Amino acid sequence: DTGVSQDPRHKITKRGQNVTFRCDPISEHNRLYWYRQTLGQGPEFLTYFQNEAQLEKSRLLSDRFSAERPKGSFSTLEIQRTEQGDSAMYLCASSLAREADTQYFGPGTRLTVL
Amino acid sequence: DAKTTQPTSMDCAEGRAANLPCNHSTISGNEYVYWYRQIHSQGPQYIIHGLKNNETNEMASLIITEDRKSSTLILPHATLRDTAVYYCIVRVAAFAGNKLTFGGGTRVLVKP
Repeated sequence: DTGVSQDPRHKITKRGQNVTFRCDPISEHNRLYWYRQTLGQGPEFLTYFQNEAQLEKSRLLSDRFSAERPKGSFSTLEIQRTEQGDSAMYLCASSLAREADTQYFGPGTRLTVL
Repeated sequence: DAKTTQPTSMDCAEGRAANLPCNHSTISGNEYVYWYRQIHSQGPQYIIHGLKNNETNEMASLIITEDRKSSTLILPHATLRDTAVYYCIVRVAAFAGNKLTFGGGTRVLVKP
């Protein structure tokens, strides 16, 4: 068990560009979550998957954001036409469905939009 | 999920117990108290959770008042590596709950 991994760790992009982040959860975990964290604030929930099904999306997840988990394993989070307000840490977490309160977080991807 | 109130920051001395308070006066009967912490440049880490009884694990102890309107997380022998932001979260337990709702947390600085 290597824990939750995220790639890349840092991403700098220009406004208007598209970016994609990847999350690899703990292998036996069927739930995967995405959160966003801005400086000085706690993480904010974006969306979660149970296996390959996306079961909940936050209102924070505008139509420029899309997340997938095609085979119920790794997940990708894509942001289209990035804006400066998208600059944040994007955190991925995973858990077992029966232990959804014990979520294991990855190190995050820090996005900077110039 | 019930709202929680935590001090913004606190300092504690290395080797001493750190007592982190959390107020959750609107907690419902089926809501648990969870604690997570976030060390700088890392994702949050689960610490402990409880419903009404006091709980202890290898990381910390959780003391919940009898009326459940407040709780205290105790780090028995704080080390420099315990410097982090500590989040108190109140929510219904697994199956019914999915997302974690983080507040501002308490920024704890352990000093030598």
